[in-house]
This record gives sequence, C-alpha cells and structure tokens, in this order.
Amino acid sequence: DAGITQSPRHKVTETGTPVTLRCHQTENHRYMYWYRQDPGHGLRLIHYSYGVKDTDKGEVSDGYSVSRSKTEDFLLTLESATSSQTSVYFCAIRGGLGTDTQYFGPGTRLTVL
Amino acid sequence: RKEVEQDPGPFNVPEGATVAFNCTYSNSASQSFFWYRQDCRKEPKLLMSVYSSGNEDGRFTAQLNRASQYISLLIRDSKLSDSATYLCVVSGYSGAGSYQLTFGKGTKLSVIP
Repeated sequence: DAGITQSPRHKVTETGTPVTLRCHQTENHRYMYWYRQDPGHGLRLIHYSYGVKDTDKGEVSDGYSVSRSKTEDFLLTLESATSSQTSVYFCAIRGGLGTDTQYFGPGTRLTVL
Repeated sequence: RKEVEQDPGPFNVPEGATVAFNCTYSNSASQSFFWYRQDCRKEPKLLMSVYSSGNEDGRFTAQLNRASQYISLLIRDSKLSDSATYLCVVSGYSGAGSYQLTFGKGTKLSVIP
C-alpha cells in the first residue's frame, strides 16, 4: 500500500462544468503524476509534479491544469469538461530516490455527459 | 514517437498451463522495464521489474533483450487468480530529473478452470 488516495472515486458531470480531482499521499514523495486510461489506449500521462509548485506537461495535457501547493496533495482540474474527458484517472507517485517505479492510487471514474 | 507494443489477447488458458507474453519497445534509450498487473476496474500494480540478466519471482519469469528491444513475461502453473491484464512498461529519462513511464495497452489473460 503506497498510501495514495483519490477523491472523488466516481463523478458524473455535465459538459462545460469545472471539475477538480484530488490525489493525496501520506509518504512525502516528491514526484506525483496524473494519468488517464481509456479503452484502446495505454495509460497516458497528463501532467506531473516534481515538487511543490513545480509541474510539467505530459503527453495529453490539453484541457487540463494541475496544482501542487503542498507535498501531499496534487490536484487535477478540468476547467470546462468535455465528453472526450470521460475516462478513468489515476494518480501515481514515484517510489523514491534511485527508482523510477511508480505506484498508483485507486482511480477516479469520471463521466462527462 | 516512443511506443510499447503488446499482443492484446485475450489469452484463454487452462489452470496449470504455462503462458508467455511478449512486448517490444521503440525507444532504444529506455532505462528501466517493468510488468504491471491490472485487475478489472482496479489500479495497475507492480508485478516485477525486468533486468537484463533475467529475473524470477516464484512462478513468474521476466526477460529483457536490449539488442532486440524485447521484453517477455512467463507465467508457469497458471492459477485462476492470475486472470488480469498485464501491462508492459518502459521508463526513460525526460529531463528535470524526471523519468516517465510509457505503457503498453496490455495483454488480457483469462485462466479457465
């Protein structure tokens, strides 16, 4: 158990509304990641963070923003949700110094109607 | 484009069978290699890292061929509980001290009584 929680676990929202997903970790890991998983695709990186207030874009960052004001929390925001953002969102942490292994949270299932 | 290719399956095998999964990757600069397991509607979980010398963990054996850019996973004496999707994952340095993972789409295994 990597001590990662995500909230909410399930959400249904309407097109055009803002949505924020939260990832919380209890083990003081520096690196945190947001992925989305869709049928027919592998997990794809949205954004990642390498420290408080330090973030960078991943492969599929359009339409998403992130913030990290505390080590333990990494927020993913969909400013104006679209149906193409219906997906399962996973947060991950990097396992620590000397490793690039990542450990995942339980996921958030988001439906945009 | 950096890619990881896997046979999507499904592989339907009887209990006790031996099954092998293969994976190829396109980025020759990749540094670390993993197999993750993902159960239906759950998060990916690290199954094992893959080393050039090959490594074994109980019934699971992983092999890496850097020259051919090929990774394999062998499962012996399959159990019903091995039914899951197996993700081939490759890590590469992306700058700013960060390593990013590239995921295959996964190979689905069903072990049948």
